[in-house]
Amino acid sequence: AQSVTQLDSQVPVFEEAPVELRCNYSSSVSVYLFWYVQYPNQGLQLLLKYLSGSTLVKGINGFEAEFNKSQTSFHLRKPSVHISDTAEYFCAGLKAAGNKLTFGGGTRVLVKP
Amino acid sequence: GAVVSQHPSWVICKSGTSVKIECRSLDFQATTMFWYRQFPKQSLMLMATSNEGSKATYEQGVEKDKFLINHASLTLSTLTVTSAHPEDSSFYICSAIRPNSPLHFGNGTRLTVT
Repeated sequence: AQSVTQLDSQVPVFEEAPVELRCNYSSSVSVYLFWYVQYPNQGLQLLLKYLSGSTLVKGINGFEAEFNKSQTSFHLRKPSVHISDTAEYFCAGLKAAGNKLTFGGGTRVLVKP
Repeated sequence: GAVVSQHPSWVICKSGTSVKIECRSLDFQATTMFWYRQFPKQSLMLMATSNEGSKATYEQGVEKDKFLINHASLTLSTLTVTSAHPEDSSFYICSAIRPNSPLHFGNGTRLTVT
């Protein structure tokens, strides 16, 4: 069964500093991978997705992620965070043959001034 | 703008009553919608897959008689929490598959059972 693991439950970071959120997946078949952001008491907003092609994926709000098949990772990065980036971030995977998203445990990013 | 609308955004009900949550696809037809549950500071757990015109498919451990799902039209799925109890208090989120597009999520419904 596919699983998605987010290694950090919480990441404090200072404003304008870079941030990396780690995500690893396990699967025996090709996957589609996603990063979502959730602000307090709201639903999920798609940041970016990897379906195929270039392994470096650029998303909204200055985020990017790199699909690394050899390391089964899909880490999310932003070179310079803002206070408004304080939120919960979820990595998710979708099997090519299925339509159910499997979510990682989430990483809470707290941006400090 | 939003493509999936969820209503209500929050609801408080008394123990033993039932609550209905609606999930609508706004500008597309969604043959499949998903219902998730999220406890505080935790990830989303898939509860069930809602299929238009057929019975919902529930994940293991989810009581189908307690969480009634109806997908009567291509733009509306409803989740009814029957005989709600305080332990049902949670954040419920729906999502819908839009053709040629990743899943779109509603803004969630926070249910508090007193």
